[in-house]
Amino acid sequence: GQNIDQPTEMTATEGAIVQINCTYQTSGFNGLFWYQQHAGEAPTFLSYNVLDGLEEKGRFSSFLSRSKGYSYLLLKELQMKDSASYLCAVNSGGYQKVTFGTGTKLQVIP
Amino acid sequence: KAGVTQTPRYLIKTRGQQVTLSCSPISGHRSVSWYQQTPGQGLQFLFEYFSETQRNKGNFPGRFSGRQFSNSRSEMNVSTLELGDSALYLCASTLAGSSYEQYFGPGTRLTVT
Repeated sequence: GQNIDQPTEMTATEGAIVQINCTYQTSGFNGLFWYQQHAGEAPTFLSYNVLDGLEEKGRFSSFLSRSKGYSYLLLKELQMKDSASYLCAVNSGGYQKVTFGTGTKLQVIP
Repeated sequence: KAGVTQTPRYLIKTRGQQVTLSCSPISGHRSVSWYQQTPGQGLQFLFEYFSETQRNKGNFPGRFSGRQFSNSRSEMNVSTLELGDSALYLCASTLAGSSYEQYFGPGTRLTVT
């Protein structure tokens, strides 16, 4: 079966750093996505990790440890517009079979 | 380049009816995936099509079906609608090949009464 866990909600302060964790147990693994979804909008792609390690993209970084079934998304210099749900998803099928976690709702406060 | 488009954006149906949703991927994208999103379950994978063939299928009953046309446009159909089918239905397109990034459409909000 497929199981992806991430915290339901988090709150952080504007300008701070926040780390959103994701653990997964899936049958098969091709890579791990992070998506951002603002309320009422479609998810937008943030990152895709295939190999272990940290990938940095501006204020956003994503880390993957395949042996531990663990990933995190790191958001630096938080801005109010970062308030959104962050979805962890695993690509596990022979092709494009993607299983999403239920998402972490991040609230950035002044 | 135009994004992923979905029609209709909103739909209200009654139990027992059937519904067809449409998705037009980004030009050149050949893979289309469908998801159901509900507050309780999050995003759940329905199926994925590539070159008119269903390559992957999620754990949904046979009432949920789909197809893809030669121009990569895709439709999904839900028959014998139930109240629990009320959800946001999202489609996502992928260039395929070595690219895995999915581009999501705005979704179709289906309400079953």
